[in-house]
Amino acid sequence: NAGVTQTPKFRILKIGQSMTLQCTQDMNHNYMYWYRQDPGMGLKLIYYSVGAGITDKGEVPNGYNVSRSTTEDFPLRLELAAPSQTSVYFCATTLDANSPLHFGNGTRLTVT
Amino acid sequence: DQQVKQNSPSLSVQEGRISILNCDYTNSMFDYFLWYKKYPAEGPTFLISISSIKDKNEDGRFTVFLNKSAKHLSLHIVPSQPGDSAVYFCAASAWNTGNQFYFGTGTSLTVIP
Repeated sequence: NAGVTQTPKFRILKIGQSMTLQCTQDMNHNYMYWYRQDPGMGLKLIYYSVGAGITDKGEVPNGYNVSRSTTEDFPLRLELAAPSQTSVYFCATTLDANSPLHFGNGTRLTVT
Repeated sequence: DQQVKQNSPSLSVQEGRISILNCDYTNSMFDYFLWYKKYPAEGPTFLISISSIKDKNEDGRFTVFLNKSAKHLSLHIVPSQPGDSAVYFCAASAWNTGNQFYFGTGTSLTVIP
């Protein structure tokens, strides 16, 4: 039972490149979330999903896209990387909005 | 607009003493509150939660207090141990926020042996 798995752990991108951050969970949770953490800024919600086929914007969705074709996977896509997207990205899942979030170990992304 | 605030970026406490971490919120509709602990290079891990129908919840050395009128919650760690040194985040959600969880900016706790 791996919980929430994020890949890759680290990545360096050049400005304008694209990439997909992967998130997979084996907890059979319907709710999945993508957060970014900048130094001293806490965790900001990028996108979330309450089930397969359903996605919604969070506080900071600009520059990102998501899809949710299965319960297990919730990839985050960066189309045109910008230095402002340098951050640590965390994926999380929960059973419902009144249950704790379970986090992956994060992806550290640097855009230069 | 930061709906959940942790105004103390850091806190140092002697081993064995009580650690008190504070959190304030602005949205009176929040009804579920959580505390997370985060070590470097790891994801946040869940510590303890409280719903708005309670004012206190305990789990071992950790107790969370909720003061709804003041829109304030606190985490007490007694006794503090060196392994408790980490960054602590409070978080909140509400039935009307579309299943979103809002996080504070974190407090870095150092427990001095």
